[in-house]
Amino acid sequence: DAGITQSPRHKVTETGTPVTLRCHQTENHRYMYWYRQDPGHGLRLIHYSYGVKDTDKGEVSDGYSVSRSKTEDFLLTLESATSSQTSVYFCAISTSGQGVQPQHFGDGTRLSIL
Amino acid sequence: GENVEQHPSTLSVQEGDSAVIKCTYSDSASNYFPWYKQELGKRPQLIIDIRSNVGEKKDQRIAVTLNKTAKHFSLHITETQPEDSAVYFCAASGDEKLTFGTGTRLTIIP
Repeated sequence: DAGITQSPRHKVTETGTPVTLRCHQTENHRYMYWYRQDPGHGLRLIHYSYGVKDTDKGEVSDGYSVSRSKTEDFLLTLESATSSQTSVYFCAISTSGQGVQPQHFGDGTRLSIL
Repeated sequence: GENVEQHPSTLSVQEGDSAVIKCTYSDSASNYFPWYKQELGKRPQLIIDIRSNVGEKKDQRIAVTLNKTAKHFSLHITETQPEDSAVYFCAASGDEKLTFGTGTRLTIIP
């Protein structure tokens, strides 16, 4: 367990509503990531953060925004949810150190957009 | 950007036999290659990783090999057990981001 908590764990909402998912870490790691997981696509990076207020886009960032105002929290927002954003969302953190380090995942959020 | 292909998408092996999953990557700058195991409804868990300065790494029944020239790497599981049944993902990275393969569903037949 890498000290990662995702909330909520499950959410059902309607098309057009805003949705915010939260990732909280307890170990002060610099890097945090948001992925979505869909059948046949594996895990795809949405956005990531390399420090407070420092974020960058991943390969599937359209329709998503993120914020990191504190080291421990990384928020993913769907401004106006669409059915194509129904997915399982995983947060990950990268353990500290120079260069590429292993990523460890939270338990995921299952999001259904009706 | 990086592209990772993973084969096969499904694999069934008899308990006790070996399983091999293969991945290829496109970016020659990639230097870190982790493997994750994901059980149904659970989070992906790192099971082994290898860096480009090493050709092979073992951890009990699992091993990973890397061929930088051909840009491919493989996961080997020996003496498979029922608890090895899961989806396995490879990934590649040359910076702080990982690019994942699409996964292999491994089923161990008792």
